[in-house]
Amino acid sequence: QLVESGGGLVQPGGSLRLSCTASGFTFSQYWMHWVRQAPGKGLLGVADINSDGRGTNYAESVKGRFTVSRDNAKDTLFLQMNSLRAEDTAVYYCIRDLGANVFDIWGQGTMVTVSS
Amino acid sequence: QSALTQPDSVSGSPGQSITISCTGNNSDIGTYNFVSWYQQRPNNAPKLIIFEVSHRPSGISDRFSGSKSGNTASLTISGLQGDDEADYYCCSYTNINTRVFGGGTKLTVL
Repeated sequence: QLVESGGGLVQPGGSLRLSCTASGFTFSQYWMHWVRQAPGKGLLGVADINSDGRGTNYAESVKGRFTVSRDNAKDTLFLQMNSLRAEDTAVYYCIRDLGANVFDIWGQGTMVTVSS
Repeated sequence: QSALTQPDSVSGSPGQSITISCTGNNSDIGTYNFVSWYQQRPNNAPKLIIFEVSHRPSGISDRFSGSKSGNTASLTISGLQGDDEADYYCCSYTNINTRVFGGGTKLTVL
C-alpha cells in the first residue's frame, strides 16, 4: 500500500513537499515514481528514483524545480516541489515499479493546487 | 519525449469487442516490449491491466488482451461489460530511460 500526503493550496512561486509512505512490501527493493494528472487531463511522469536513491530522472517541465528522494529506513518517498506554477496543479500519484515498466501499486493521490 | 498517441474515445455495446490503439515511435514502442496498460475509473487511481505488451496481472479478466505491431500497441476488450466504462492509458519505456504515457482513451459502453 502507498499513502501520499502533503498536497494543498500554494501560491505561484511557492514550495511543497509531498510524502509517500509504503507498507506491505520491502520498499528498498523497488524503483519508485511520481506521476501527475492535471484536472480532466492524462497522466504524466514527473520523476522517478531507483531503489538505492542514487539514480533519478525528471520530466523536462520540472527539471531544476522538483527533487525526488527517498528514505529507505522509513519506507518513504518524497517529492520536493519549488518554484511552483499554475500548470503544476494536479493530482500527484506515488507508484511502485516492479521493473520493465510495470506500475503495479498506485497511491490514492494527493491534490496540489497552485493558485493566488 | 512526446506522449504516445491514443484515440480520444471509443465506444461499443455490451458483448461487443473494442480495440484501443497506442502509437509511438522507434524510441519507445518500436524498440521495447515494455508496454503497459492502465484502467482508470472516475475518481480512482489507475489500475494495471496489461504489462509487457500482452501479460495480465493476477485477477485481471482474460477479456482484456494486448498486442503490438511495429510502433503501435493495442488493447482489446472482448465481451464488453458496463463496468469496463473507464479511461484507458498506455505507457511505454523509452530509450532515454524514461516512461511515456498515452493521452488516454475514454471508453463508453452504449
